[in-house]
Amino acid sequence: ELKVEQNPLFLSMQEGKNYTIYCNYSTTSDRLYWYRQDPGKSLESLFVLLSNGAVKQEGRLMASLDTKARLSTLHITAAVHDLSATYFCAVDLNNNDMRFGAGTRLTVKP
Amino acid sequence: SQTIHQWPATLVQPVGSPLSLECTVEGTSNPNLYWYRQAAGRGLQLLFYSVGIGQISSEVPQNLSASRPQDRQFILSSKKLLLSDSGFYLCAWSGQGYGYTFGSGTRLTVV
Repeated sequence: ELKVEQNPLFLSMQEGKNYTIYCNYSTTSDRLYWYRQDPGKSLESLFVLLSNGAVKQEGRLMASLDTKARLSTLHITAAVHDLSATYFCAVDLNNNDMRFGAGTRLTVKP
Repeated sequence: SQTIHQWPATLVQPVGSPLSLECTVEGTSNPNLYWYRQAAGRGLQLLFYSVGIGQISSEVPQNLSASRPQDRQFILSSKKLLLSDSGFYLCAWSGQGYGYTFGSGTRLTVV
């Protein structure tokens, strides 16, 4: 059975600090996606990682994919309050069949 | 460009009443379509997906059903709502290998 595990599930951090969210998965896949969800809102695509070693950066967020380790990371640099949200990773099995992690609820405090 | 529309945005329905949520996609053909439900503070639960007109796969047995009467239209229905059907319902589409694009969601409260 495919498992997509995110950790931590809850993360409270201070502004200006760095932290990493991890996404481990249990099956072979070379496509992984990160989404952001603000409270009461839908999911917004953040990053699309399509191969081993892929690295994408947008502002204070950087995502990477290691398909051999079956691991993706979402690194937050110098966090700001606006980054407070829930972040989901999703693994693409095949033919657009995706499985989502449980989500990491990030709170950035001043 | 592709867009996805989902409505209504919010809905309050009494127990035992019927439900119909609609989702349409524009700017693409033969998309894969999905219905997800999210309970408060929880992750995403896949309810139904469809790879073509009239083709529906159910992931979780429940009192909900889905239909795809047209290529770019996906409908979620129930004949009689339960309290446990409350949640945030999300429609999504995929088709270009770049993951899912989600609709804006419907917040359903069953009272």
